[in-house]
Amino acid sequence: GENVEQHPSTLSVQEGDSAVIKCTYSDSASNYFPWYKQELGKRPQLIIDIRSNVGEKKDQRIAVTLNKTAKHFSLHITETQPEDSAVYFCAASSGVNAGGTSYGKLTFGQGTILTVHP
Amino acid sequence: DGGITQSPKYLFRKEGQNVTLSCEQNLNHDAMYWYRQDPGQGLRLIYYSQIVNDFQKGDIAEGYSVSREKKESFPLTVTSAQKNPTAFYLCASSMSRGAYEQYFGPGTRLTVT
Repeated sequence: GENVEQHPSTLSVQEGDSAVIKCTYSDSASNYFPWYKQELGKRPQLIIDIRSNVGEKKDQRIAVTLNKTAKHFSLHITETQPEDSAVYFCAASSGVNAGGTSYGKLTFGQGTILTVHP
Repeated sequence: DGGITQSPKYLFRKEGQNVTLSCEQNLNHDAMYWYRQDPGQGLRLIYYSQIVNDFQKGDIAEGYSVSREKKESFPLTVTSAQKNPTAFYLCASSMSRGAYEQYFGPGTRLTVT
């Protein structure tokens, strides 16, 4: 099955700096890669996602890049703000199981605790 | 905040008791999922369902059971066979099978003593 590794486990930056979180995946059939942000005690919320037919996607201060050959994808946050402090999770989905039936099973990374200091 | 609800927010049980966690969605989503979240381990899939009256085991199904009798509802029972049930449980739903965004509920924190 799919295995997703996420690094670093903790990241501390100063306000205004950039933050980068990296994930690798094992299943070459994976074709959907979402990123979730979870604030303390809250539910995870999707912040950006990318599909395997795209190499990069940007939404204001957040961007995600995907390297299918190397099987890794990264989240980039620019001009960080204290409200960006949260746990960030990457995930991967193949969309198709061994029997050929599609499903949306996500495999999550272990999470990165991002702290942005004012 | 999404139309997916979980109840209760906090749940306390004695060891050896079964407990059922509720998950309801009004998003008309076909697929629903249950995850367990422990510190430093991310989200791990317990069970998922792509359609009414059908569900599959996830990565850590032992000691858990589910049902999907209605499209809107996907309750999770934590049985006494689950060796370490204390955790934060998250329910999610997505529009359909395939690579779609999953919407999460607010979660239930279960403590078993």
